[in-house]
Amino acid sequence: RKEVEQDPGPFNVPEGATVAFNCTYSNSASQSFFWYRQDCRKEPKLLMSVYSSGNEDGRFTAQLNRASQYISLLIRDSKLSDSATYLCVVISSGGSYIPTFGRGTSLIVHP
Amino acid sequence: DGGITQSPKYLFRKEGQNVTLSCEQNLNHDAMYWYRQDPGQGLRLIYYSQIVNDFQKGDIAEGYSVSREKKESFPLTVTSAQKNPTAFYLCASSLPGQGRSGELFFGEGSRLTVL
Repeated sequence: RKEVEQDPGPFNVPEGATVAFNCTYSNSASQSFFWYRQDCRKEPKLLMSVYSSGNEDGRFTAQLNRASQYISLLIRDSKLSDSATYLCVVISSGGSYIPTFGRGTSLIVHP
Repeated sequence: DGGITQSPKYLFRKEGQNVTLSCEQNLNHDAMYWYRQDPGQGLRLIYYSQIVNDFQKGDIAEGYSVSREKKESFPLTVTSAQKNPTAFYLCASSLPGQGRSGELFFGEGSRLTVL
């Protein structure tokens, strides 16, 4: 089983739609969680950190479910500019602090 | 402005040649990482370093080498032993264990093509 798993998609949605992605992780000792956005042929950029209490940034909401070992990203009122690949990143404790990436979920927002 | 600089952005190499990718950061970060990304795939860890003069193999270190002689610099050499080196290489840095622990800052990447 891979450490961090994401549905690669693509998720094809119309403008204005709400879309949600999940990311599961296998290491129960994981302690830090992030969502990154990656545009085609570009470097990943931090979208948001994921806190235990959940957090929201405009149209984006991230949540953590430690019991079921997954994090989620909800995008409301999708824009064409949201089209990108969304990468889940998990960092485990134990002294190494090695970020582990999911393979990413592709989102295509169409008119 | 602080950030991470990778060079070159594009690189072509003949089979059998070694090539070195540069990664420099002025963020005063302790940890630095090299990832490889193939089309349609996620990022795979090649090497990482959490302190000067120390580095560790990641998941796919074979055919690669690194050095960490200075805090700011973490060059990656792709050797002729790497069987399929054509890929997008990303360097990143972070401040592990402090504040927003583990947030990664990336360079713009180096795209290597073997002819």
